[in-house]
Amino acid sequence: GAGVSQSPSNKVTEKGKDVELRCDPISGHTALYWYRQSLGQGLEFLIYFQGNSAPDKSGLPSDRFSAERTGGSVSTLTIQRTQQEDSAVYLCASSPQAVQETQYFGPGTRLLVL
Amino acid sequence: QQQVKQSPQSLIVQKGGISIINCAYENTAFDYFPWYQQFPGKGPALLIAIRPDVSEKKEGRFTISFNKSAKQFSLHIMDSQPGDSATYFCAASPGYALNFGKGTSLLVTP
Repeated sequence: GAGVSQSPSNKVTEKGKDVELRCDPISGHTALYWYRQSLGQGLEFLIYFQGNSAPDKSGLPSDRFSAERTGGSVSTLTIQRTQQEDSAVYLCASSPQAVQETQYFGPGTRLLVL
Repeated sequence: QQQVKQSPQSLIVQKGGISIINCAYENTAFDYFPWYQQFPGKGPALLIAIRPDVSEKKEGRFTISFNKSAKQFSLHIMDSQPGDSATYFCAASPGYALNFGKGTSLLVTP
């Protein structure tokens, strides 16, 4: 079946602009996660959704970052007023439920802020 | 701070050799320890995972060794192949969020 898909695959934006990154999880997966992968920091957890609710937003680096999930499926990560340090690969993952199950990752969105 | 420390940062192994990657953690609440493999341009993919009630888990050429008292775990790749050349990440989780090591870039030479 189809895996996790993310769009766009690449995004170049200017400092100060807002960007939206989209994630389509595997059908039927109730848990959805966002991670950020950067050269200096490795892979960092950002946010976790169970259904449409986000019980853990602790990894979001600033209030410029927000995420939502609708219909228990698609999720959007929004970065407002982008900064150069936001340049990274943003990875989405999903799992059938949440606790200690395999997380299936998408290919990521490569964000470059000029 | 980095909750999972991974070493080495890079590793070169000859075809047929054994690749060994080590990780250490401090948080005793961690009770799920997966290893992920990542190829360039792709997302990480689960390779093998272990829970702390066992000391070793083997799947094909891949083995995780786990030492709960030392809070360390390692990945052994037996009979390493050029197709194993990738970046490997260890991770640890108390529930859902994965805390990743910084990764090991493995190159297996022919």
